[in-house]
Amino acid sequence: AQRVTQPEKLLSVFKGAPVELKCNYSYSGSPELFWYVQYSRQRLQLLLRHISRESIKGFTADLNKGETSFHLKKPFAQEEDSAMYYCALRTGNQFYFGTGTSLTVIP
Amino acid sequence: SQTIHQWPATLVQPVGSPLSLECTVEGTSNPNLYWYRQAAGRGLQLLFYSVGIGQISSEVPQNLSASRPQDRQFILSSKKLLLSDSGFYLCAWSVEETMVQFFGPGTRLTVL
Repeated sequence: AQRVTQPEKLLSVFKGAPVELKCNYSYSGSPELFWYVQYSRQRLQLLLRHISRESIKGFTADLNKGETSFHLKKPFAQEEDSAMYYCALRTGNQFYFGTGTSLTVIP
Repeated sequence: SQTIHQWPATLVQPVGSPLSLECTVEGTSNPNLYWYRQAAGRGLQLLFYSVGIGQISSEVPQNLSASRPQDRQFILSSKKLLLSDSGFYLCAWSVEETMVQFFGPGTRLTVL
């Protein structure tokens, strides 16, 4: 079975502090992982995907197969980062999403 | 550019009534289409996906069904709604080349 776990429902950090949103997955094959973000009053949208190995809006995420994790990190949080973040796993045409983490950046 | 539409935006229906939610995509051909339900504390649950006209895969047994009568149209239906069908329903599309999903604005369904 495929499963994505985001252990933190809520996360608050101060502006300028580092932030890490945790994501662990359970999958027996080679995973393809994504982070999606939903800002207030906006649609759910892709933030980044592990195969791109890119930094988007200062966020990065590294796939750790040994720990089966894909944590999302940013060294200095900004107020505009406040949003709902979802980790997702793709297998074939199917996607499995975590329960999401609501990030609040305190000014 | 590609766009995805969903309607209605909000819907209040009595228990036992039928349901039809529509999703259409513009600006792309032969997309993969998806229906999700977003419930508080449960994240996004994949309900159905379709890789082509008339091809529907169901992820979870439930009171809902899906149909794809046209290449860029995806419909979520129910013959008799249950209270537990209340939630926020999202439609999404992707293409094989990237498999990145693009989401619609969603429909808020309340079953009373």
